[in-house]
Amino acid sequence: AQSVTQLGSHVSVSEGALVLLRCNYSSSVPPYLFWYVQYPNQGLQLLLKYTSAATLVKGINGFEAEFKKSETSFHLTKPSAHMSDAAEYFCAVTYTGTASKLTFGTGTRLQVTL
Amino acid sequence: DTEVTQTPKHLVMGMTNKKSLKCEQHMGHRAMYWYKQKAKKPPELMFVYSYEKLSINESVPSRFSPECPNSSLLNLHLHALQPEDSALYLCASSQDLGLAVTDTQYFGPGTRLTVL
Repeated sequence: AQSVTQLGSHVSVSEGALVLLRCNYSSSVPPYLFWYVQYPNQGLQLLLKYTSAATLVKGINGFEAEFKKSETSFHLTKPSAHMSDAAEYFCAVTYTGTASKLTFGTGTRLQVTL
Repeated sequence: DTEVTQTPKHLVMGMTNKKSLKCEQHMGHRAMYWYKQKAKKPPELMFVYSYEKLSINESVPSRFSPECPNSSLLNLHLHALQPEDSALYLCASSQDLGLAVTDTQYFGPGTRLTVL
């Protein structure tokens, strides 16, 4: 069965510091991976997605993620955190044959401090 | 336009009430979804519609009844709910099912439901 694990339910960084949110996947077939962001009282917004075309994926708002098959990871990074990045971040996985059925990780709440 | 709209934003209902949640998209998407999200938890898939037909029902209790009147609209009819059904209900849409597994799902802002 496919799944994703997000290490760290809360991550706190200073404004301007590197953001690193971890996601590891478990899948017996090639996965397709997504990062979504959810701001308070809002729906989910897609940040980026891995579709097997390129292992380094660039998304919106300066975020990027690298697919590493050897480490079964798809960590989300941003070189310099901004206060507006404070939100909940979800990693999700799907694969061919699941009719776009996403399996979400448990989420990581990012706090950005001055 | 990549917007999915949901009404109402907030809903409070008693356990004997009947109410409906509404979702609308005008992106020409043929797949629409209902998710339930409890506080501090990830979204959980409830239903998937493809070309206005129910494709996936994740063993959701019958007190939740989905309906897809046309390709732009998705409703969720609620009846005899329990307090534990209180949650954020999210609607999403994507271009199609199956043709491109990597189709982006676009989410609405959700309806915050409280069952008393």
